[in-house]
Amino acid sequence: AQSVTQLDSHVSVSEGTPVLLRCNYSSSYSPSLFWYVQHPNKGLQLLLKYTSAATLVKGINGFEAEFKKSETSFHLTKPSAHMSDAAEYFCVVSDQNGNQFYFGTGTSLTVIP
Amino acid sequence: DAGVIQSPRHEVTEMGQEVTLRCKPISGHDYLFWYRQTMMRGLELLIYFNNNVPIDDSGMPEDRFSAKMPNASFSNLKIQPSEPRDSAVYFCASSFALGRGNTIYFGEGSWLTVV
Repeated sequence: AQSVTQLDSHVSVSEGTPVLLRCNYSSSYSPSLFWYVQHPNKGLQLLLKYTSAATLVKGINGFEAEFKKSETSFHLTKPSAHMSDAAEYFCVVSDQNGNQFYFGTGTSLTVIP
Repeated sequence: DAGVIQSPRHEVTEMGQEVTLRCKPISGHDYLFWYRQTMMRGLELLIYFNNNVPIDDSGMPEDRFSAKMPNASFSNLKIQPSEPRDSAVYFCASSFALGRGNTIYFGEGSWLTVV
């Protein structure tokens, strides 16, 4: 069975400092993994996805994530936080066939000026 | 592309009333999903369709909830009668296909409050 665990429900960083949002997954197969961002009162927007190509995936707005099979992790990073990055972030894993998507519980990112 | 379009964006209704939420998927997408988001339960898949046919409705909470997709460009989710515990954000999403690496695209949600 597939599942995803977001290790932090809330993360606070100062503007201009690095962002790290942690995600660990459980999957019987080589998974597809996604990060979505949800700004207040908005829908979910795809940041990036991993589908068994390069393990370091670059997304929009300067975010990237690295797939580490040995650690079953897919952490989201950004070198320098911007105020506009304040949002909820969801890590998602899909099943082997890509027919089901399993969402993490989300990490709320606060950026302090 | 206009993206997934949902209406209404916000609805406040009284307990016992019928609620209808509407969705227009991205043109050409064969899969349509309805999700519900609450603080307590996070994002839950309610139902999804392939080529207008419901494939998995195991997430629909109870008989008060129903969803239809009469054609490729429209779906609705109905709650009748509505209850305060139905208050949530309801997201519609669509995907060109399912399968490894395919992405689902979300609408901006319908904020439902039942008083």
